Amino acid sequence: VQLVESGGGLAQPGRSLRLSCVGFGFTFDDHAMHWVRQAPGKGLEWVSGISWNSGTLAYAESVKGRFTISRDNAKNSLNLQMDSLRLDDMAFYYCTRSTFGTLAPPDFDYWGQGTLVTVSS
Amino acid sequence: QSALTQPVSVSGSPGQSITISCTGSSSDVGGYNYVSWYQQHPGEAPKLLIYEVSNRPSGVSSRFSGSKSANTASLTISGLQAEDEAHYFCSSYTSNSSPVVFGGGTRLTVL
Repeated sequence: VQLVESGGGLAQPGRSLRLSCVGFGFTFDDHAMHWVRQAPGKGLEWVSGISWNSGTLAYAESVKGRFTISRDNAKNSLNLQMDSLRLDDMAFYYCTRSTFGTLAPPDFDYWGQGTLVTVSS
Repeated sequence: QSALTQPVSVSGSPGQSITISCTGSSSDVGGYNYVSWYQQHPGEAPKLLIYEVSNRPSGVSSRFSGSKSANTASLTISGLQAEDEAHYFCSSYTSNSSPVVFGGGTRLTVL
């Protein structure tokens, strides 16, 4: 099992970035997928999750209305569209797999290596 | 929503046992048996240690164990080893609109 994120980088406040994650070595549409972020030197913060069939989406209050999660099971890919970026969105963003296809239980058994999002003017 | 409460740091000597607590509420830890624990070494991604309160994924040492009482979950590490020095995070499913909450993390130092 491998999860590979891409799309991180530098963005100005108010601008957008799109993160992607591709899964290898497992049946992608058997699993819910999530994004978890970690500001440098800080703790983990759950950002968003999507069920196996995109039927259930969920967001942290801090990103609701600004971020959009999606998946393409045909391409084994997970995406996070991040709009109206703020300084406090700066963090490593991890793609993570849930053991089941639903958002509960949120057992994150595999993680990507993380992609860094820097928000600065 | 508020993060789950963990001690900032704990320490122990090699061979000893330590316990890390994770305190929430009836909306999260106390309401569901969906507590997980993760280990994170510097510069690495988190690793799942315990899921659904007390279950270990294959490949995780039996020195790691989890439990829960009321609104507090606990991770116990027995027979401490130098390699256990890391940050540990708990998480729980929650009935709030955002379904997952993490603890603030605990730094374990092996003396």
